[in-house]
Amino acid sequence: KNQVEQSPQSLIILEGKNCTLQCNYTVSPFSNLRWYKQDTGRGPVSLTIMTFSENTKSNGRYTATLDADTKQSSLHITASQLSDSASYICVVSPGDNTDKLIFGTGTRLQVFP
Amino acid sequence: DAGVIQSPRHEVTEMGQEVTLRCKPISGHNSLFWYRQTMMRGLELLIYFNNNVPIDDSGMPEDRFSAKMPNASFSTLKIQPSEPRDSAVYFCASSPPPGQGNFYEQYFGPGTRLTVT
Repeated sequence: KNQVEQSPQSLIILEGKNCTLQCNYTVSPFSNLRWYKQDTGRGPVSLTIMTFSENTKSNGRYTATLDADTKQSSLHITASQLSDSASYICVVSPGDNTDKLIFGTGTRLQVFP
Repeated sequence: DAGVIQSPRHEVTEMGQEVTLRCKPISGHNSLFWYRQTMMRGLELLIYFNNNVPIDDSGMPEDRFSAKMPNASFSTLKIQPSEPRDSAVYFCASSPPPGQGNFYEQYFGPGTRLTVT
């Protein structure tokens, strides 16, 4: 069964600290993996998209990694800011030529001053 | 540029009533998706259209749900009759055709928060 699992479920850190969010998937075949940020009361916004051949991609203070062999991805946030408080959702696109995405349930990050 | 537009942003209705959610995709995008988000189940794809044609509606929960896309700039999701378990946030997303930007990307609207009492 195609699944995307994320950990931790929630995370609290202090402003300025780094953190890493994890994503494991069992989707096969695989096309690409995305990380979305969802602020409270808003729709998800894409942070990164990685295809099979990419193993790292950065977007400002956000760096995503992908290990297609172990089917794991991580999202590293550097020097966290209060505005990083949000849910982070790992999403995998199957490689069967469809537009359907498989969503993880997300990690809820709270950054405190 | 305007993003995906959804209306209403909030809807409160009584059980048994008909609910219609509306979506205007980004101009030039040819794929449109309807999602439902709950705390328990996260984001779930309900249905998606490509060039106004429904491609996959396997996520539509039951016959009470229906979706239409009469033209490239408008889609509706209708629930009739509504039930309390339909309470959720409903998102619409659109994506561009291959060759226009990143065709892997889906752009989400702000969502409609539906409460059925």
